[in-house]
Amino acid sequence: GQNIDQPTEMTATEGAIVQINCTYQTSGFNGLFWYQQHAGEAPTFLSYNVLDGLEEKGRFSSFLSRSKGYSYLLLKELQMKDSASYLCAVRDQEDSNYQLIWGAGTKLIIKP
Amino acid sequence: EAQVTQNPRYLITVTGKKLTVTCSQNMNHEYMSWYRQDPGLGLRQIYYSMNVEVTDKGDVPEGYKVSRKEKRNFPLILESPSPNQTSLYFCASSLAETPLIYEQYFGPGTRLTVT
Repeated sequence: GQNIDQPTEMTATEGAIVQINCTYQTSGFNGLFWYQQHAGEAPTFLSYNVLDGLEEKGRFSSFLSRSKGYSYLLLKELQMKDSASYLCAVRDQEDSNYQLIWGAGTKLIIKP
Repeated sequence: EAQVTQNPRYLITVTGKKLTVTCSQNMNHEYMSWYRQDPGLGLRQIYYSMNVEVTDKGDVPEGYKVSRKEKRNFPLILESPSPNQTSLYFCASSLAETPLIYEQYFGPGTRLTVT
């Protein structure tokens, strides 16, 4: 079956580093997205990984290991505005059909 | 400004009263999609459209209808709303040259309550 697992909630301190993990089980993995969603707002795109390795984008980095079915989002120099939910989504392909499978999201709470 | 707009943002209605939530994008995107988001669950796709006059069911299409008569608009129709359709709804759009390889742009959301 298809499944995506993320921790439900994490807490971190302002200025610190936090790693949010995402593990997935899909039949036809074809890429992984991370989105940020502030409470009551729309998700916004953070990153897209299709090959193994680390992609860095400012304070945010995303890592993918296809053999392990695993990704993480690394947030450095945490700021209060980083308090949000972080959604992992996997692009899955079966024959010629594509779909996005979404995790339930990880709520990140930043404390001063 | 490139954006996806949804209306209304908030709606409280009664069981059985037909409603339409509009969605419009100004980015000339081919792909448009409707999601619902419920606490503890991931975004669940209701319907999607790869282009004008092309729509297809997502994971949870029951009780919903859509149409795509113009590229920019993708309304969501609830013919006979029920309380289990109380949810936060998002419309999204993206390029579709290669399906779902591009980031999706989300509208601000419509919070629907059916009593």
